Formats: sequence, structure tokens, C-alpha cells
Amino acid sequence: EVQLQESGPGLVKPSQSLSLTCSVTGYSITSNYWGWIRKFPGNKMEWMGYISYSGSTSYNPSLKSRISITRDTSKNQFFLQLNSVTTEDTATYYCARGQGAAPFAYWGQGTLVTVSS
Amino acid sequence: DVVMTQTPVSLSVSLGGQVSISCRSSQSLVHNNGNTYLSWYLQKPGQSPQLLIYKVSNRFSGISDRFSGSGSGTDFTLKISRVEPDDLGVYYCGQGTQYPLTFGSGTKLEIK
Repeated sequence: EVQLQESGPGLVKPSQSLSLTCSVTGYSITSNYWGWIRKFPGNKMEWMGYISYSGSTSYNPSLKSRISITRDTSKNQFFLQLNSVTTEDTATYYCARGQGAAPFAYWGQGTLVTVSS
Repeated sequence: DVVMTQTPVSLSVSLGGQVSISCRSSQSLVHNNGNTYLSWYLQKPGQSPQLLIYKVSNRFSGISDRFSGSGSGTDFTLKISRVEPDDLGVYYCGQGTQYPLTFGSGTKLEIK
């Protein structure tokens, strides 16, 4: 059974970088697609980007050049880095795995990141 | 970006009843390959979202047949029959046809 677990700082200062790790067990990240999604206070959800089985990436243009998704196949982990954060980046961040026609079939439990000085 | 509009914002239903949630997209969700990548998710209180339906009407593994999806083009519906207490939470539609992938704003289901 695939399991995903997000980890990283819960508090980041404005203008700094947000870095999160998604640790995957039960399935290799060299298969399928692996994404990051965030949910803002309220109900709005935003797809941030993904990294594919081959290591290629796709990002939401709204995040422009602030985002980077990378991976470490030896540890079966993938990572999110979001630069120059503001308070508007305060959200719960989820990692997820696609399966076939479903882009987000399996989700991590989520991690709340607050951007505040 | 494809804008996903969900209605209603919230609804209340009695146990055993039936509800429908509507999701409309600002553009057709029919992909060049002929598939329509419209999914439904449920986020229960205190949990992460879970996939219910993919490609409009396909139930994900382990999902009850009380959940059904329908629609085409730009108009889609999620129906929940014989509502149970465990069905409460926020329901989202999401499209996977065009990048960036986008979600509806959510429909909160409450049990009377």
C-alpha cells in the first residue's frame, strides 16, 4: 500500500524559502506522477506542480519562477521548494500520487505551513 | 486557466437521503484523446482529501456505489444516495484535462 508523508518546517519567515519533503513508502517514485497541492485557509485548493517518473516537471504558471520540485530516488522522496514566500503562501501542503487517469489518487496527510515574521 | 464552479456552496441532508452537487467548467474538459478528466474528491474533517470518482463516472478503488458521477463537456454532477454520517465533509471537483490543473471551490455537506 502506498503511503505518503509530508515533513518540513511549520513556520517560515516572509521572503525566505519554504522547503518540504514527501517521503513515499510502498511504491517507487520512478513510476507514475507525484504532485504538490496546497489548500488555503477557507476551501481554495491549488495545484502547484508535479514531477514525473522520469524526473520531468510541470509547474503552475501562477507560481512563476518561485517553485522547484526535485527528487531523490535513492531515498524514494520528492521535494518542494517555494522561494520568496509571503503571508499568502500560508496553507496546508499536500503531496499526492497520480494513477492512470486520476492525477491525485493517493494523498499524504498534509502539513500546515505558516508564513509569518 | 479552466475555472471550476461548484454549486451549492453548502447543503444539509437527512441520513438516508440523496444529494447532488454540480460542477461547471469554463471550458470543455474533453481532452484531445477523447477522454474527459473530471474527478471528485471528499475531504472529511481532519483528514486529507480522498479520490471518489475519476474520468467523470469511474469510482476509485473501495468507493461505495452510493457515489455516482455523470456529465459531459462542461457540466458535471456528483450524486450521493442513502447518505451516511461518514459522508460529511467538503466535496471538490477537479479537472485534469488542461494545465494548470484546477479545482472547484468546494461544497460542504452537513448532516441534518
